[in-house]
Amino acid sequence: QSVLTQPPSATGTPGQRVTISCSGSSSNIGSNVVNWYQQLPGTAPKLLIYSTNQRPSGVPDRFSGSKSGTSASLAISGLQSEDEADYYCAAWDDSLNGLFVFGSGTKVTVL
Amino acid sequence: QVQLEESGPGLVKPSETLSLTCTVSGGSLTNYYWSWIRQPPGKGLEWMGYIYYSGRTSYNPSLESRVTMSVDTSKNQFSLKVKSVAAADTAVYYCARAGEKWLVSPLAHWGQGILVTVSS
Repeated sequence: QSVLTQPPSATGTPGQRVTISCSGSSSNIGSNVVNWYQQLPGTAPKLLIYSTNQRPSGVPDRFSGSKSGTSASLAISGLQSEDEADYYCAAWDDSLNGLFVFGSGTKVTVL
Repeated sequence: QVQLEESGPGLVKPSETLSLTCTVSGGSLTNYYWSWIRQPPGKGLEWMGYIYYSGRTSYNPSLESRVTMSVDTSKNQFSLKVKSVAAADTAVYYCARAGEKWLVSPLAHWGQGILVTVSS
């Protein structure tokens, strides 16, 4: 059972905006930055958002991250078919010596 | 651009030790944190731990009793050992690099992963 809770699935049509939530606690999201990873089928995870709201070079600005209290969100605006993938939030947890925790993952389907 | 590649046996017998190596090219191990992450088939990601280039380690408490990580800076490699494996250890194992500061730097570079099956 993951420390960070995400909805198992999210669905949208091309051009729509989809938001994925990530719920944690004061020891992880509440006190540390959040990262988001995109995992396309059969491939390794790719860093999508770091430091809660920063995009690595090459990541489209359609992807954005935010945080409020002990919850974080990833928004995908202008949804495209190639965005169909699994998305994972991740954060460090202060409760146990800098433990790194992943969310349970959200499968995004583009109809 | 730094590249990581996992290598090791794809099949391990129950109760034996799983051993994997991650070879880093295009960059040095120095000053960075190096992690192992695994993903059982059809399931989510699990962070297993990190090793700093100096050899300092931190393991996921759920695996700490069975996991050992080591580093060989002369070969630009770091390794993972998981002892007493069972079917539940069947997973794709990824190695990854974080930045110079744990608690801030993300796991930005990943290997392609290697499937390890535990079966007799």
